[in-house]
Amino acid sequence: GAVVSQHPSRVICKSGTSVKIECRSLDFQATTMFWYRQFPKQSLMLMATSNEGSKATYEQGVEKDKFLINHASLTLSTLTVTSAHPEDSSFYICSAHPGLAGAPSSYEQYFGPGTRLTVT
Amino acid sequence: GQQVMQIPQYQHVQEGEDFTTYCNSSTTLSNIQWYKQRPGGHPVFLIQLVKSGEVKKQKRLTFQFGEAKKNSSLHITATQTTDVGTYFCAGLTSGTYKYIFGTGTRLKVLA
Repeated sequence: GAVVSQHPSRVICKSGTSVKIECRSLDFQATTMFWYRQFPKQSLMLMATSNEGSKATYEQGVEKDKFLINHASLTLSTLTVTSAHPEDSSFYICSAHPGLAGAPSSYEQYFGPGTRLTVT
Repeated sequence: GQQVMQIPQYQHVQEGEDFTTYCNSSTTLSNIQWYKQRPGGHPVFLIQLVKSGEVKKQKRLTFQFGEAKKNSSLHITATQTTDVGTYFCAGLTSGTYKYIFGTGTRLKVLA
C-alpha cells in the first residue's frame, strides 16, 4: 500500500517554543491530508483537514493560530505547534488519501507513523 | 455533532475465543472503514463497507454494515495473540469528506 512518513518521530521541547511536524506521502499525490491528535488509550481526534494550495479547515475547538498547517505541495503537509505548553504533549498523526480535495471520499486513509510530542 | 461510539471499550479473551466489537453512529453514514492500531503503532486500514447490509470477510475477520447504515460490527473468530490491538471504526457522513473515528475497542488476547 501507499506510504506516508512523518518527521520527527519523537520530539521533546521546552514550554514556549515552537515545533514543526512534517507529513509526506512518499509514492502518491495527496491533495488532502488530515491531522489527528491522540491521547494515551484514546481515539483519534481530527484536528484539521489540510488541502493543497488552500487554507486548512480546522475542527471546532482547535486553535488555528496555535496549530499552523501548511500544505505546500501535493506530497507535503506541515503542522507547527506554536508556543507549545505541557498540555500540548500528545501523539500527533497525519493521514493522507489520493481523493479529490474537498470531495466526499471513499478512499482509505494512509496513516503516518505518528509524532510523539513532549513539552517540558 | 456527529458521534461514533464503540462497545466494548476493552475486551480480554482467551486465545481461541471469538471477539466482537460494535460501532454505532448518531447519524447515517455513507460508508464505514475499520482500522487496527497495535500498541505503540499507527492505525492500519482493514476494510471499507459501503452498501447497506454489506458483509465482508477477511480470513477470520467478518465485517458487517447495518441495514440503516448507522452501525457496524467486526467479529474475529478464534482469536490469536497477533490480534492484540485497538480496533477503530471510522464513519463518513454523506456530503462530508472527513471520517469520524469511533472510540475504539482494545483487545487483549491471553495465551
